Amino acid sequence: EDQVTQSPEALRLQEGESSSLNCSYTVSGLRGLFWYRQDPGKGPEFLFTLYSAGEEKEKERLKATLTKKESFLHITAPKPEDSATYLCAVQASTGNTPLVFGKGTRLSVIA
Amino acid sequence: NAGVMQNPRHLVRRRGQEARLRCSPMKGHSHVYWYRQLPEEGLKFMVYLQKENIIDESGMPKERFSAEFPKEGPSILRIQQVVRGDSAAYFCASSRPGVTEAFFGQGTRLTVV
Repeated sequence: EDQVTQSPEALRLQEGESSSLNCSYTVSGLRGLFWYRQDPGKGPEFLFTLYSAGEEKEKERLKATLTKKESFLHITAPKPEDSATYLCAVQASTGNTPLVFGKGTRLSVIA
Repeated sequence: NAGVMQNPRHLVRRRGQEARLRCSPMKGHSHVYWYRQLPEEGLKFMVYLQKENIIDESGMPKERFSAEFPKEGPSILRIQQVVRGDSAAYFCASSRPGVTEAFFGQGTRLTVV
């Protein structure tokens, strides 16, 4: 069974304090690994897709990396507006399969 | 290009009533997914549909729940005889054929009283 585990569950950072969120996964052949951001009361907002180990993608203060077993979301010099829940999901390569999500990491950035 | 549209945003139903949740995918998207999210829980897959076809309904309860995506009009998630345990946020996502990225709507928050 495909599984995604995210850590930590919650993270509190001072503004400007860089850190990383972890996403460990087991999947029967990886088609893609996805990062989303979710604000309270809103739907998940797409951030990145990673397809193969070694791949990296960047957007503003966020950088996502991928290995064969896990992905990291690095946040450099975060600002209060980066506060949100960050969700990781995987899609298996076998047939038409839906995304399997982790429970997310709740990030709070304090000014 | 409008995003994925869900309505209503909030829905209150008494126990035993029916709930109908609607989802209009992004333009050019023919794949629709429904997910349920409980507080402190992750998004749980319910059903995957393409136009006029259910592709995967492995995450949907066998009773009281049904989904459709007709040739014309929005996708509908229907919950009959709702119970308190059905209270949750229901999200719809859509994607284009052959593309892995799925984009989500703002969700419908169902409260059963």
